[in-house]
Amino acid sequence: EAQVTQNPRYLITVTGKKLTVTCSQNMNHEYMSWYRQDPGLGLRQIYYSMNVEVTDKGDVPEGYKVSRKEKRNFPLILESPSPNQTSLYFCASSLSRFGSPLHFGNGTRLTVT
Amino acid sequence: RKEVEQDPGPFNVPEGATVAFNCTYSNSASQSFFWYRQDCRKEPKLLMSVYSSGNEDGRFTAQLNRASQYISLLIRDSKLSDSATYLCVAPSLYNQGGKLIFGQGTELSVKP
Repeated sequence: EAQVTQNPRYLITVTGKKLTVTCSQNMNHEYMSWYRQDPGLGLRQIYYSMNVEVTDKGDVPEGYKVSRKEKRNFPLILESPSPNQTSLYFCASSLSRFGSPLHFGNGTRLTVT
Repeated sequence: RKEVEQDPGPFNVPEGATVAFNCTYSNSASQSFFWYRQDCRKEPKLLMSVYSSGNEDGRFTAQLNRASQYISLLIRDSKLSDSATYLCVAPSLYNQGGKLIFGQGTELSVKP
């Protein structure tokens, strides 16, 4: 089944404790992206990647890192999480950046205390 | 002005009603648009892609008006299961790399 898989689904952590949210897609998509969704603010792009070893900042990249060492994986790293990073996170992929719809993972609900 | 704007609703309609949402976009050169459906705190799911004047899939019809720079989503014969938030997506005006911008979403509630 074609899908984008995120893990974990739920994560509660404390301020400053490094964490990684994994994202993997099995559709051979070139483009991958991370979003966060907060009430009243909609979906905001954190980072994106147009292909292996090609990543760039989105609208809200502060406090996050990403890597794209393989085409299928695009992990999101929070080196020192803070409470303002409490949010619902989505990974998404598409065949290409132009004209292709995004396919979303099922989300990670992160709480930082 | 936001690049993609939607009426947030909520739209409260009875079962069987026809309901339409509009979405305005800023990038006049946009060629592709999308409507997504999002259930509460779940991932957005692609409902329809719109590449030309419009698209139809069963009870759902999407139309594109390039002159006025808006796309619409029409839902006929509403079902209880149509209750969700509908997100309009269009390419960014400011980013030439094809970045997609999501509207804030329109909430639909279909009542018995």
